[in-house]
Amino acid sequence: AQSVAQPEDQVNVAEGNPLTVKCTYSVSGNPYLFWYVQYPNRGLQFLLKYITGDNLVKGSYGFEAEFNKSQTSFHLKKPSALVSDSALYFCAVRDPGYSTLTFGKGTMLLVSP
Amino acid sequence: GAVVSQHPSRVICKSGTSVKIECRSLDFQATTMFWYRQFPKQSLMLMATSNEGSKATYEQGVEKDKFLINHASLTLSTLTVTSAHPEDSSFYICSARDRGGQETQYFGPGTRLLVL
Repeated sequence: AQSVAQPEDQVNVAEGNPLTVKCTYSVSGNPYLFWYVQYPNRGLQFLLKYITGDNLVKGSYGFEAEFNKSQTSFHLKKPSALVSDSALYFCAVRDPGYSTLTFGKGTMLLVSP
Repeated sequence: GAVVSQHPSRVICKSGTSVKIECRSLDFQATTMFWYRQFPKQSLMLMATSNEGSKATYEQGVEKDKFLINHASLTLSTLTVTSAHPEDSSFYICSARDRGGQETQYFGPGTRLLVL
């Protein structure tokens, strides 16, 4: 089985400050990990992924995430938040033995001016 | 990045009618496409997985006769909501996985269905 937990329903941060959106996962094998962002009434936009290789993954719009196998985490980070980063963020995992992604419940990021 | 389109973006229909939603991968080939449903302020619920040229695999609790899926080519999948009822009103999102083996799923912009 595979599962994802996003422990925070909402994260609030001031513009210019660093942000972190947390994600932990559970899979039986080596995970494929993804972050997506969703703006209101839109589909999901791909931000970044970890498949193999360097634990620190850099993605779109200045976001990055670090794969931590011992803590089974894949937290999303950005050094300096923008108001336009305010959106709903989803973490997703796929065990290579499965054909489908499992999504977390989502974390709403609110960046205040 | 890869682009997935959906059409229509928004549809309003009367109860009892059928609605077809198209999902296309515009610049890549997708052997596998996925259909999701999303309720307000909730995560995505996988409805079915479709592979080109074969029958779709439906998730538990999803009625295959109500939600007809056709994956006719490597770039097109359709979802038909048959005899729609108000409870079928929702945001439907398709997704396609790049055949090139990059493991990434790309998502369409979604279709807002309102059944009156």
